Formats: sequence, C-alpha cells, structure tokens
Amino acid sequence: AQKVTQAQTEISVVEKEDVTLDCVYETRDTTYYLFWYKQPPSGELVFLIRRNSFDEQNEISGRYSWNFQKSTSSFNFTITASQVVDSAVYFCALSPLTGTASKLTFGTGTRLQVTL
Amino acid sequence: EPEVTQTPSHQVTQMGQEVILRCVPISNHLYFYWYRQILGQKVEFLVSFYNNEISEKSEIFDDQFSVERPDGSNFTLKIRSTKLEDSAMYFCASSLAGVVEETQYFGPGTRLLVL
Repeated sequence: AQKVTQAQTEISVVEKEDVTLDCVYETRDTTYYLFWYKQPPSGELVFLIRRNSFDEQNEISGRYSWNFQKSTSSFNFTITASQVVDSAVYFCALSPLTGTASKLTFGTGTRLQVTL
Repeated sequence: EPEVTQTPSHQVTQMGQEVILRCVPISNHLYFYWYRQILGQKVEFLVSFYNNEISEKSEIFDDQFSVERPDGSNFTLKIRSTKLEDSAMYFCASSLAGVVEETQYFGPGTRLLVL
C-alpha cells in the first residue's frame, strides 16, 4: 500500500519569507513517481513537478526548489521569497512507475497562507 | 497550451437522481482518470481508464458509478443514484502514455452538491 504524509496542516508566513513544505511517503514499489500539485483558492489542481525515484537530483525552478531524499523517503518543497500569490493548498502525491495508467495517492495537503 | 476541460463547473441535484459529469481530456492523451475531493479533504482516486476499459478502480467506485468514452473526445463519469455523501469536487485527469510521460494533468473540476 502507498501512503503520503504531509504533517503540516497549515503554514502562515509573511511575504518574502522562505517556507518549506514537508512530504514523507511510503511505498513497496522499487520505482515510482513523486509529484507536487498546487490548489489555489479557485480550486483547480495545478501540476508543479514530477520526480522519478531513480533521479535524486534536486531541482530548482525560479523560486521553487525540491529536495528528494530516498534514504528518508522525503520529497520536500521550498518556496523562496514567498509571495501572496503562493497562497494555496499544496499536495504531494505518489504513483508507481508502471508504464500504464497508475493512480495517484495524495497526501492531505498543506495550506500555505502568505500575508503582506 | 492544451488543457483538460470539464462541464459543468457546478451541479446541484436531488438525492437519488442520476448525474453525468463530462470531461474532455487533452487530445493526444491515452489514459484517463477520475478523482474526487470531499470539501476540505484530500484528493482520492476513483478510476483509471485506458483503451476503452477500466484499468483500476478504488473501493469508492462501486456499482453506482460508471465511466464511458462515448466518442473520440469525451470521457464521462455517471453516478446512477446520487447520495448525500457523493457531494464533492470531481476532477478528471489525463496523461500521455507509458513510462516517459506519466504526469496527470487535471481539469478544473465539477463541484457536485447532492441535496
């Protein structure tokens, strides 16, 4: 069985602060994908990043960066110099790498509130 | 940029009524999915669909639910006799294929309210 844990239910920061969202996962699969999705107040789910289990390189995209550590089963997401537009619920998700239609298992999400 | 679309954006129905939620996946995608999110909770997998048949379904996806690809562009979720607990946001997603491109892209969702 697969499980994704996002222990931080809600985080509040002031604009320009850095913030890290934690994600810990459990899986018996040897190969898998990890994802982050953003859900703004409007409700849609926006894809942010996909990471293969065999690629532990950290990734940076503008103000976003991701730290994948297989040894601790973690895939943390950092926003540098946060902005009000970053306010959203962020979901970490996991799927097996099967080459077919694979279901996503989501965490419970972390609500990020960025204030002025 | 291609995107998944869903209609309607909101649907209100009476308990026991049938509803059909519609999705148009990204045109060259081959794998289709439905998820639901009860208000304030996490997103849960319902069903995946490939090559005109269900690939996998969750325990939530019981006999009251069905999916169909009636033509080359639409992908529908039918709830035969809605219950109060079916009230949720329903998301459709699609992905390209196989190992290389397994990213699922989501539509904007249909908010279903069962009264």
